[in-house]
Amino acid sequence: QVTLRESGPALVKPTQTLTLTCTFSGFSLSTSGMCVSWIRQPPGKALEWLARIDWDDDKYYSTSLKTRLTISKDTSKNQVVLTMTNMDPVDTATYYCARIPASWSAFDIWGQGTMVTVSS
Amino acid sequence: QSALTQPASVSGSPGQSITISCTGTSSDVGGYNYVSWYQQHPGKAPKLMIYDVSNRPSGVSNRFSGSKSGNTASLTISGLQAEDEADYYCSSYTSSSTYWVFGGGTKLTVL
Repeated sequence: QVTLRESGPALVKPTQTLTLTCTFSGFSLSTSGMCVSWIRQPPGKALEWLARIDWDDDKYYSTSLKTRLTISKDTSKNQVVLTMTNMDPVDTATYYCARIPASWSAFDIWGQGTMVTVSS
Repeated sequence: QSALTQPASVSGSPGQSITISCTGTSSDVGGYNYVSWYQQHPGKAPKLMIYDVSNRPSGVSNRFSGSKSGNTASLTISGLQAEDEADYYCSSYTSSSTYWVFGGGTKLTVL
């Protein structure tokens, strides 16, 4: 059974750096073609894709947030980490990690999400 | 403003069929067969319903179907059931440096 679970702080202050961890099971990010993405959803708003990391460590970022995002993986721990610098109240959202299986172009399994509020 | 355009809401009675549209451009929906649809109930994570325009993942009811014509993709739900009431989002791979774009979401109400 494939599962993903996000973890991180529920509250961060403006200008701080957010670090989120996605811990997964049921698949390996060293499997050829496997990818994990981060997606966020502000309260009452639409989904927004943020970043992706591939099995071969290739990384992709949303153009609008590229300067603030870093994605990395620890294959031995089955974890993907996303950092976002210079947090702002507009970054308040539920952050999801999701798997993209090999040869797919869709997010087939999602974590339950973690709500992050940016406030002083 | 989302990159893909969806109607804000649709509704239907139990047993009826409804269609949700998702309009993009030749750089996303029209350029690739990489359109996917997600169902999201309140307070829950999105669930993949359709991938690659018209494919259903294992376990998804065959009442859900997808199609595409030009720059517009569509999700059709037949035999509406109360449990189908949710928000639905389309997504597409894009040739822009954004890589993936989502629609603004459509709230489905089962009357």
